[in-house]
Amino acid sequence: GAVVSQHPSWVICKSGTSVKIECRSLDFQATTMFWYRQFPKQSLMLMATSNEGSKATYEQGVEKDKFLINHASLTLSTLTVTSAHPEDSSFYICSATGTSGGTDTQYFGPGTRLTVL
Amino acid sequence: AQKVTQAQTEISVVEKEDVTLDCVYETRDTTYYLFWYKQPPSGELVFLIRRNSFDEQNEISGRYSWNFQKSTSSFNFTITASQVVDSAVYFCALSEAVVSGANSKLTFGKGITLSVRP
Repeated sequence: GAVVSQHPSWVICKSGTSVKIECRSLDFQATTMFWYRQFPKQSLMLMATSNEGSKATYEQGVEKDKFLINHASLTLSTLTVTSAHPEDSSFYICSATGTSGGTDTQYFGPGTRLTVL
Repeated sequence: AQKVTQAQTEISVVEKEDVTLDCVYETRDTTYYLFWYKQPPSGELVFLIRRNSFDEQNEISGRYSWNFQKSTSSFNFTITASQVVDSAVYFCALSEAVVSGANSKLTFGKGITLSVRP
C-alpha cells in the first residue's frame, strides 16, 4: 500500500518551454501533496504544499508563477515548470499523505529528473 | 524552528559489518514525529520508520533497528550485518504532529551516504 507514482521519470526540454510533472497516489486518497526539488548530493528542499481543491502554499523563495501546482483531485497533483531555464534542471520529487499509514507519514514518488538545455 | 543534524556525511563499510547512522534533532514541539527514509541510487525515497515523540521504545525490523533517546534528542539507526543492497543515502526527518496531519511538513537532515563494499 501507499504507492505514489510520478510521470515522466525524466524529461529533457529546451529553454523557454514549459514542463508538466504528474504525481499520483495509486492506492490511497492524498489529502495533501508536497513538492520537493533535490540538487545532486544535497537534501530535499520543500517547494510547496498543496491540499486537494485549494491553492498551494509555497515556501519562501519559491516563485509561484514559475512553479504552478494544481491539486485537482484526491489522487492527482501536477507541477508545471513554466518557461524553464537551465537553472531549473533538478530532481523533482512529490510526496503524499492521506488515509494510508497514518496521516503524518509522507510517501514519496520515484522522482522526475528535469534537464533544461 | 525545527532542525535535523546528520553529522556523518559518508560512511563506508565492508559487507557484514554493523553500521550506525546518527541523527540529532531540535524542536520546541512537545509532540512530533521522527522518520528515516532510504534513497537508493534510483532516487526514490523509501519510507523505513515513523516514531512519535511519546514512544521511546526501540524498534527492530529484521536487520534494522532504531534507538530513540529523547533525553539526548537522538534517533539513531543501526543496520546489522550490512549488505551491498544497503548502499544508499539515508535521511532522517522530523515533523510536528498536527491534529489533522494534513500539513505536517518534514524537516530533513542532509543525508548520510552509506557505501557497503563486498
